Amino acid sequence: DAKTTQPNSMESNEEEPVHLPCNHSTISGTDYIHWYRQLPSQGPEYVIHGLTSNVNNRMASLAIAEDRKSSTLILHRATLRDAAVYYCILRPWDNYGQNFVFGPGTRLSVLP
Amino acid sequence: DTAVSQTPKYLVTQMGNDKSIKCEQNLGHDTMYWYKQDSKKFLKIMFSYNNKELIINETVPNRFSPKSPDKAHLNLHINSLELGDSAVYFCASSTTSGANVLTFGAGSRLTVL
Repeated sequence: DAKTTQPNSMESNEEEPVHLPCNHSTISGTDYIHWYRQLPSQGPEYVIHGLTSNVNNRMASLAIAEDRKSSTLILHRATLRDAAVYYCILRPWDNYGQNFVFGPGTRLSVLP
Repeated sequence: DTAVSQTPKYLVTQMGNDKSIKCEQNLGHDTMYWYKQDSKKFLKIMFSYNNKELIINETVPNRFSPKSPDKAHLNLHINSLELGDSAVYFCASSTTSGANVLTFGAGSRLTVL
């Protein structure tokens, strides 16, 4: 069972910022927070991950709450190509014998 | 260079047939996975191998048999195909510790008629 909860869907206008929330109230101290996205008819792709501090990369930013029980993926300027299903998952530091559990994710629609 | 490559991309076959999907990764990862994504779009883990050893085997019918000849390859063989096996199958790989980011293949769409 997924250890994270996300809204089923969100909508954004093109070129506006998007904040995708994720709740993970049962997170443990060694769990990394990962975000992936799946564009239509493609395999999931890695977006960003973090442990405690906020993270930035060329695709997005990840804001992690101080208590780590929630996080937010930030797309600074949404484009039509960002329309996808976004998955937030937890991954233990030592994951031998464990698997990535994907929930239903958030389907992001981007309006022109 | 494709990091995780799967073949074939599309597979259409009749019920009762046996088919295989192959997966190769060139990332040097030590763990490989098979995921199934059905028509409802949920991604479910099927198997995971670490250095050729099976470490995760979810409740998957015995008709599904993974094989890992070396740590860069993980193949999936399916016997006696059923209509319910129609889905997209994704291969993925990762390291075993640290951030262990998952890298997915492009998927193999299996249609059973």
